[in-house]
Amino acid sequence: DAGITQSPRHKVTETGTPVTLRCHQTENHRYMYWYRQDPGHGLRLIHYSYGVKDTDKGEVSDGYSVSRSKTEDFLLTLESATSSQTSVYFCAISPGPHGAKNIQYFGAGTRLSVL
Amino acid sequence: EDQVTQSPEALRLQEGESSSLNCSYTVSGLRGLFWYRQDPGKGPEFLFTLYSAGEEKEKERLKATLTKKESFLHITAPKPEDSATYLCAVPMDSNYQLIWGAGTKLIIKP
Repeated sequence: DAGITQSPRHKVTETGTPVTLRCHQTENHRYMYWYRQDPGHGLRLIHYSYGVKDTDKGEVSDGYSVSRSKTEDFLLTLESATSSQTSVYFCAISPGPHGAKNIQYFGAGTRLSVL
Repeated sequence: EDQVTQSPEALRLQEGESSSLNCSYTVSGLRGLFWYRQDPGKGPEFLFTLYSAGEEKEKERLKATLTKKESFLHITAPKPEDSATYLCAVPMDSNYQLIWGAGTKLIIKP
C-alpha cells in the first residue's frame, strides 16, 4: 500500500459522536486526499491537502473537517457522526497535483459504521 | 457536467474467456485517464495511465486503450486471480480533481 497506513481499520460509533480517522505516509508525498466509497458510487473526494496546513474541500466535504500538521499525517474528523457517513474511507497520496501525470496511491481503507 | 460511466456493472466470465470493460467520460479536454484494480477489503491499486487518443498500454493479460470519449480494458484469457473490481478515473475540467466511475466487478470462474 505504498507506505500508507490508515487507522483504525474498522470503527463502529454512535450518531452524534466525534470520530477521527488517521492517515500516515512514509513516502514524503506533498498531496494527500480523503475519499469515501459507497456502493453504486465512484470514489468521492472529501478533502485534500497540498502541503502542511494547506487543505481544500472536495466534492462531498459537508460534515467533515481535516488537518495536516506534519507532512506524513492527514486527519479526517467527523465532528458529529451521522448514519449517512457510514462508508469506507480511503486515504490517498501523490507526489504532485491530482490528475495530470501524478498517480494517486491508496491506503487499505477504514470501514466506519455509524449506528 | 463532468461524468465517468463504467459498463457493465458486473461481468462473469469463464476462465480463458476474453472480454472488454468500458469507461466512457464527458470532459471537454482530456488530461489523462487512469485505470485501477480493487480487491475486496483493499484500496485501489494503480494499473495504467493513458494520456492521448490512440494510446495503448499492456500488463500481463490486460490491455488498456483510449479514444476521445472512452477507454476499454481488454482482458485476454483471464484467470480467476483477475477477479476484482476495475475502476477508471479522469481529471475534472475545472480543477484537476479526479472523477471516478462506479467500477466494473469482474468475476472469473475456473
